[in-house]
Amino acid sequence: TQLLEQSPQFLSIQEGENLTVYCNSSSVFSSLQWYRQEPGEGPVLLVTVVTGGEVKKLKRLTFQFGDARKDSSLHITAAQPGDTGLYLCAGVKDGATNKLIFGTGTLLAVQP
Amino acid sequence: DTAVSQTPKYLVTQMGNDKSIKCEQNLGHDTMYWYKQDSKKFLKIMFSYNNKELIINETVPNRFSPKSPDKAHLNLHINSLELGDSAVYFCASSQVISGSFAGELFFGEGSRLTVL
Repeated sequence: TQLLEQSPQFLSIQEGENLTVYCNSSSVFSSLQWYRQEPGEGPVLLVTVVTGGEVKKLKRLTFQFGDARKDSSLHITAAQPGDTGLYLCAGVKDGATNKLIFGTGTLLAVQP
Repeated sequence: DTAVSQTPKYLVTQMGNDKSIKCEQNLGHDTMYWYKQDSKKFLKIMFSYNNKELIINETVPNRFSPKSPDKAHLNLHINSLELGDSAVYFCASSQVISGSFAGELFFGEGSRLTVL
């Protein structure tokens, strides 16, 4: 069992649709990040959330950190083909030091 | 200028061989990492160095030996390669802000290792 479970694992949608990706754990995290990875590249940071209940918006992307700091979600409005990629949540467990643990990943394909 | 660079990008080798992957960062960060991404795209931390000192050493076979000659470089040497070592290995760096916050990780492009 992985520490950070993401769902869905795969998602194929049409351009213009909305979607939500979930990142869940039974552990408490002091901070949580979301990365996007494109083929042949390393992951790139999208956002960091540190406060329970925090909501951050990045253009059409909305990120939320759960009140108990055990889960997070990423919502994309009006998806575009450029949003295609592997989305990874990552967190540092409470009490851990510098150790960023990655989620299981969600592969998103947005068809034009 | 590439912030985090790894070489080689591709590596194909036979079982039992020894190989090395090199990583350099020009961001002035004090912490560097090696992650392994398997065929299911799961990224697992292997090692982390802070100012040339090993601070994270996950359950990795001792055939894997990291070396950090200075805080801008972190190399990974693998002895007696096995089929299961085939994966993409990512180097990353960050500037740690506090003990419980990893900061933004900057990743290299990855090194795809194929063991035949």
